[in-house]
Amino acid sequence: DAKTTQPNSMESNEEEPVHLPCNHSTISGTDYIHWYRQLPSQGPEYVIHGLTSNVNNRMASLAIAEDRKSSTLILHRATLRDAAVYYCILRDPNAGGTSYGKLTFGQGTILTVHP
Amino acid sequence: GAGVSQSPSNKVTEKGKDVELRCDPISGHTALYWYRQSLGQGLEFLIYFQGNSAPDKSGLPSDRFSAERTGGSVSTLTIQRTQQEDSAVYLCASSLQMQWRQGGYEQYFGPGTRLTVT
Repeated sequence: DAKTTQPNSMESNEEEPVHLPCNHSTISGTDYIHWYRQLPSQGPEYVIHGLTSNVNNRMASLAIAEDRKSSTLILHRATLRDAAVYYCILRDPNAGGTSYGKLTFGQGTILTVHP
Repeated sequence: GAGVSQSPSNKVTEKGKDVELRCDPISGHTALYWYRQSLGQGLEFLIYFQGNSAPDKSGLPSDRFSAERTGGSVSTLTIQRTQQEDSAVYLCASSLQMQWRQGGYEQYFGPGTRLTVT
């Protein structure tokens, strides 16, 4: 599986934008970039995913580099509730075999939001 | 609507005992996954169900671990002869079927069962 690299931790102030980077230099042409986050004492929750084009939803934006070797999750206005571990995950739903369904989590980025 | 539920929320057991962990997925979700998260560790995949069959059991750490799913709904993860290293949070997730949407469907996670083996 292609791997992702994220900073161990980042800090932000409330109501400021946050840019969470992810490097995935060995990404394949069919890998989708998924982001999940895990709030304290909860299970992970889906944030956003994309393939090539930038994506927006109500939670965040995903900016994907033109060569797809990196991406950035953007929280436009951080709130205290956004403090969580953010995971960048590559998924290839077209991979052969039976393992395409699983998520392979790395260590993620611990985001701290200061009031 | 109702999300993924898991029971019990906490389980303390003695080493050597068997435990059963239950997962109720979101209604209509055909795919179901079990993961575990040990203290200081990341989340690791255990097993994946599509309907009642388990095409990927590659993450089960030993033959003491087994899982089943009945009626395409509820799933039970069983750990036999528990060991202290089994202590972890066991998470269940469900999703719609994968291959009908490019990029796949998001997985919805339950709150987890915290297992402590003493």
